[in-house]
Amino acid sequence: RKEVEQDPGPFNVPEGATVAFNCTYSNSASQSFFWYRQDCRKEPKLLMSVYSSGNEDGRFTAQLNRASQYISLLIRDSKLSDSATYLCAVKDGNAGNMLTFGGGTRLMVKP
Amino acid sequence: DVKVTQSSRYLVKRTGEKVFLECVQDMDHENMFWYRQDPGLGLRLIYFSYDVKMKEKGDIPEGYSVSREKKERFSLILESASTNQTSMYLCASSRTGEAFFGQGTRLTVV
Repeated sequence: RKEVEQDPGPFNVPEGATVAFNCTYSNSASQSFFWYRQDCRKEPKLLMSVYSSGNEDGRFTAQLNRASQYISLLIRDSKLSDSATYLCAVKDGNAGNMLTFGGGTRLMVKP
Repeated sequence: DVKVTQSSRYLVKRTGEKVFLECVQDMDHENMFWYRQDPGLGLRLIYFSYDVKMKEKGDIPEGYSVSREKKERFSLILESASTNQTSMYLCASSRTGEAFFGQGTRLTVV
């Protein structure tokens, strides 16, 4: 079983829709969690950190469920420009602050 | 702004060549990482370093080595390039939390 798993998608949604992705992790000792956005042929860029109390940034909301060991990303009022691959990342506190990434979920927002 | 710079965007090398991929960060981060990204396999960690001259193997170190002689620079070395090392290589740096990525080097080994 992979340490960090995501549904690869693609999720095809119309503009204005609300869409949610989950990411499950296997290490219960994981400490920090992040969502990254990656555009085609570009590097991943940090979208937001995921705090225990949840985190909201405009149309984006991230939540952590430690009991079930998953994090989620909710995008409201989807825009065409939200089309990208969304990667979750988990840090387990080992030396080097190493991040383990999920395989990514591809989102395509259609007009 | 954090800046992580990789020396090349695109590289084409021949099988058996020794290949150097360079990465420099300007934020005095202790931790630096090399990942490769392949379709269907996601980001896989090759090596990381949490201090100058320190290095740790990641998930797929075979066929690679690294060098960190200065804090800001982390080099990935392919001792003898093979076609299965054709990939997108991504360098990243971090302090304690999130990692910041360079623009990536798309390496093709022919």
